[in-house]
Amino acid sequence: NAGVTQTPKFRILKIGQSMTLQCTQDMNHNYMYWYRQDPGMGLKLIYYSVGAGITDKGEVPNGYNVSRSTTEDFPLRLELAAPSQTSVYFCATMGGAGYYGYTFGSGTRLTVV
Amino acid sequence: SQKIEQNSEALNIQEGKTATLTCNYTNYSPAYLQWYRQDPGRGPVFLLLIRENEKEKRKERLKVTFDTTLKQSLFHITASQPADSATYLCALDFSNNAGNMLTFGGGTRLMVKP
Repeated sequence: NAGVTQTPKFRILKIGQSMTLQCTQDMNHNYMYWYRQDPGMGLKLIYYSVGAGITDKGEVPNGYNVSRSTTEDFPLRLELAAPSQTSVYFCATMGGAGYYGYTFGSGTRLTVV
Repeated sequence: SQKIEQNSEALNIQEGKTATLTCNYTNYSPAYLQWYRQDPGRGPVFLLLIRENEKEKRKERLKVTFDTTLKQSLFHITASQPADSATYLCALDFSNNAGNMLTFGGGTRLMVKP
């Protein structure tokens, strides 16, 4: 039972390149989230999904895209990477609406140079 | 806009003492508040959730209070141990929709010295 798996763990991108951050969960959770965390700052919500086929923007969606074709997978796509996207990215899941805590993955550390 | 404030300065305490961390928020009062622990290089780990109609919640050596009048939560770790050293984040759902989207504070780093 792996929980929430994120790949890759580390990545260096050049400005203008694109990449997909993968997030897979085996807990059958409907709710999934992408956050970014900059040093000394709180996590900021990029996108979220309340179920397969449904996604919506969070606080900082610009420069990112997501899809949710299955319950298990919630990939985050970066198009035309910029230095401002250097951050640690966390995927999280939640079991249902209401009073539950999130389960986080271990994160992807991305550097754009 | 909604804002969550946690003391950005590290809290240093001696082993065995009680650590108290503060989380203040502005404007809208959420239905519940959560606390997470984050170790370096790792994702946050859920610790406790307290609802707006609960004054206090306990789990082993952890205690959380929630004062919706003061718009404040206090997080206590009693009989602290060096293994409790980590960053602690509070989080609230301000969204008032079905997304259950959490807004996180910047966290307070706790250092417990032996």
